[in-house]
Order: sequence, then C-alpha cells, then structure tokens
Amino acid sequence: DQQVKQNSPSLSVQEGRISILNCDYTNSMFDYFLWYKKYPAEGPTFLISISSIKDKNEDGRFTVFLNKSAKHLSLHIVPSQPGDSAVYFCAAGYGQNFVFGPGTRLSVLP
Amino acid sequence: EPEVTQTPSHQVTQMGQEVILRCVPISNHLYFYWYRQILGQKVEFLVSFYNNEISEKSEIFDDQFSVERPDGSNFTLKIRSTKLEDSAMYFCASSEGSALRYTFGSGTRLTVV
Repeated sequence: DQQVKQNSPSLSVQEGRISILNCDYTNSMFDYFLWYKKYPAEGPTFLISISSIKDKNEDGRFTVFLNKSAKHLSLHIVPSQPGDSAVYFCAAGYGQNFVFGPGTRLSVLP
Repeated sequence: EPEVTQTPSHQVTQMGQEVILRCVPISNHLYFYWYRQILGQKVEFLVSFYNNEISEKSEIFDDQFSVERPDGSNFTLKIRSTKLEDSAMYFCASSEGSALRYTFGSGTRLTVV
C-alpha cells in the first residue's frame, strides 16, 4: 500500500527551464510534507517543506505547492541547473515519522 | 553546518552475525531516527527515538532490531542475526524538535553475505 506516490521515476529537463516534480498521497491525516534531494552515496538533504495550512511555500529557486483536496503536491525548480541533477524524494506524515515516496530521478541537461 | 555522522560507511557481515551501526546526531537535537533504503527501492522508516525511548517504530523494526543511546552522544542500531534481505543503506537522522526537518547522515551500506 503506497501511501506516497511519485509516479514519474525519472525526468529530464534542459538547463534554465522549469522542473516540476509531482507527488500524490493517500492518507488524509498527513499534515506536513517535505522534499529531499539525494545524491548517490549520500543521505537525503532537506530542500523545502510545507504544512497543510498553506498551499505554497517558496525558497529561492524552489517552490512547493500543496493541493489538499487532490492530495497532491509538487516541487518547482526554476531555473533548473545541472547541479540539481539528483533523486528527489517527497515525504509526507504526521507526528514524528514520515512515509517517503519512491523518488524521481531528475537530470538537468546542459 | 552541523552534521549527522555515521560509521562505518560500509559494513560487510556474514549472515547470522550481529552488526551495530553507529550514528552521532547533531548535539542539540532531541529526536533521532533510523531509515533504510534497499537498493533500488524507497526510503523506509524504521524507528524514532526520543527521551531515551522508542517513540514510534514500523513493521520492519521487529525483534531483530534494537536501538540505544548509550552515552548521550551516540545513537546505535543493532541488528541481531542478520539476514541477506537486511542488505541496504541505513540512514540515521536527527531533528531539533517535532518541527520535523530532519538532518540525515550519509548512511552506512550494510552488505550481508
């Protein structure tokens, strides 16, 4: 039972363009959502978060949008840079533990 | 920037042996976690630890697993009688509070042969 889904296993984007990574969840109790970036052989690195009381949160080139009615969130990266190439994990939860999605591998092409 | 440190970076062990994975969380953090990622699969929650006791654990975290904070700085995951399917990357994480922004370590790759 996948409570957090990232239906695109991979995404390729040209440098300078927008990257949009999507995430869907099924548990309506989830009230906090995070995006992590992971390079090979490293632990996940926190990118940005959003709580269920908001529908948008912005931090530099990264913006997360939350659509609670659709149980959907997305991460926008503008403009995309080659260094953004990594696996991006969506995480959703409540309390102290989270469920991670399977990840989307983003490749930003120069 | 403060880091979560994990040792060793790679551990190879024979099936049936016990392993201890070590983590040094960020010093002012109060919540500690273990996650694992089997190669090619998603990151899975194992256990959370607060105030010297397990606060939550997943179905994966059965009697084979235990955690300990033996000396106020280290946070360890012990796996008794390892199985081939325990081979994975094990990530330790810590957070300052229930704000839930975790800082992850770089992981220990456990290979059970």
